[in-house]
Amino acid sequence: AQSVSQHNHHVILSEAASLELGCNYSYGGTVNLFWYVQYPGQHLQLLLKYFSGDPLVKGIKGFEAEFIKSKFSFNLRKPSVQWSDTAEYFCAVQGNNRLAFGKGNQVVVIP
Amino acid sequence: GAVVSQHPSWVICKSGTSVKIECRSLDFQATTMFWYRQFPKQSLMLMATSNEGSKATYEQGVEKDKFLINHASLTLSTLTVTSAHPEDSSFYICSARYQGGGNQPQHFGDGTRLSIL
Repeated sequence: AQSVSQHNHHVILSEAASLELGCNYSYGGTVNLFWYVQYPGQHLQLLLKYFSGDPLVKGIKGFEAEFIKSKFSFNLRKPSVQWSDTAEYFCAVQGNNRLAFGKGNQVVVIP
Repeated sequence: GAVVSQHPSWVICKSGTSVKIECRSLDFQATTMFWYRQFPKQSLMLMATSNEGSKATYEQGVEKDKFLINHASLTLSTLTVTSAHPEDSSFYICSARYQGGGNQPQHFGDGTRLSIL
């Protein structure tokens, strides 16, 4: 079964700073990749997804992620964060009919 | 720690059958559990939010009589797909949140693949 690693569980940064969250997975087959966001008190929402094609994926709210197959990575980026980006971010990898989530990154943006 | 067990992982059954999926938090108490559904090539969609001891809150478009949710204890929530039909075939995943409110982390089960023939 696949596994997903997200490092630096707690991230604190100032508004306008750039954000990059790492996601690495272990699985040898074809995968679908997702980033979800959970704002305080809310349920998961999809930020972006990758199934095939251009490995650079653009999502909502200015987020993007790049799939690097050779590195088994799908890192999430945003060039300039806002206070409203304070949330928890989950990377998810789907392979062989299984969906695995990382432990999440708690991101706090200071105004 | 913080393991969520979902059972069964895969079920195949005939049309008209009712199917029960269990979601258990193994080493923590979960006030809130969420049930999601994923269609092929799509992302998760929230079906309902389940709070222990009270009725589940269903998302718009989700039939509560079709998808029965019971959260009878702090460690167990069940989703029953009643009189399942082929269009109910999907991947169902639950998550559980620590007792303690909205800022607590959420932990996911491995999902259940439901195939209705």
